Amino acid sequence: QKEVEQNSGPLSVPEGAIASLNCTYSDRGSQSFFWYRQYSGKSPELIMFIYSNGDKEDGRFTAQLNKASQYVSLLIRDSQPSDSATYLCAVNVGNQGGKLIFGQGTELSVKP
Amino acid sequence: EAGVVQSPRYKIIEKKQPVAFWCNPISGHNTLYWYRQNLGQGPELLIRYENEEAVDDSQLPKDRFSAERLKGVDSTLKIQPAELGDSAVYLCASSRTRRWEETQYFGPGTRLLVL
Repeated sequence: QKEVEQNSGPLSVPEGAIASLNCTYSDRGSQSFFWYRQYSGKSPELIMFIYSNGDKEDGRFTAQLNKASQYVSLLIRDSQPSDSATYLCAVNVGNQGGKLIFGQGTELSVKP
Repeated sequence: EAGVVQSPRYKIIEKKQPVAFWCNPISGHNTLYWYRQNLGQGPELLIRYENEEAVDDSQLPKDRFSAERLKGVDSTLKIQPAELGDSAVYLCASSRTRRWEETQYFGPGTRLLVL
């Protein structure tokens, strides 16, 4: 089992819809979770981080964390074509402070 | 605030040749990371520095890869000799500390093609 798993996609949604991106992780000791967006040919840029169970909202983005189920998700409301990118889930592994393990990424395509 | 700077942005070399990548982290960031990202995959950590000390190099192929971070600021990653399978994007990232809650900020990366 991979340490961090994401649906590889591609995920295609119409403009204005909600895009839901999912991520599971294997290390129960993980404490922090990050979502990065990566446009084609560019480097990853941070969208959100979450540490506590529940929801965290920032504009059109909502991160959800369920440590019991070892599951983290990212919801994008009112999806725009400019949201088309690969979304990377990253998990800070257990007590190895600063060591991020990335999933393989989910490619999102928002169709006008 | 300036971001993480990397050079070169692109590099094409023939196999068995050496290559070096340079990184300048965000000012004040003590922790520096080198990642490798293969096509269609997420970044994978190669080495992590806390100031000038390498605190995690378990995934660095030490037979051909080396890295240094003199004076705890800039860092260089070297491959010698390069192999075809080394073709990838090499990303440098930095964070203020290595604590679990710190955000890592990525540079633009160096795209390496080994022919």
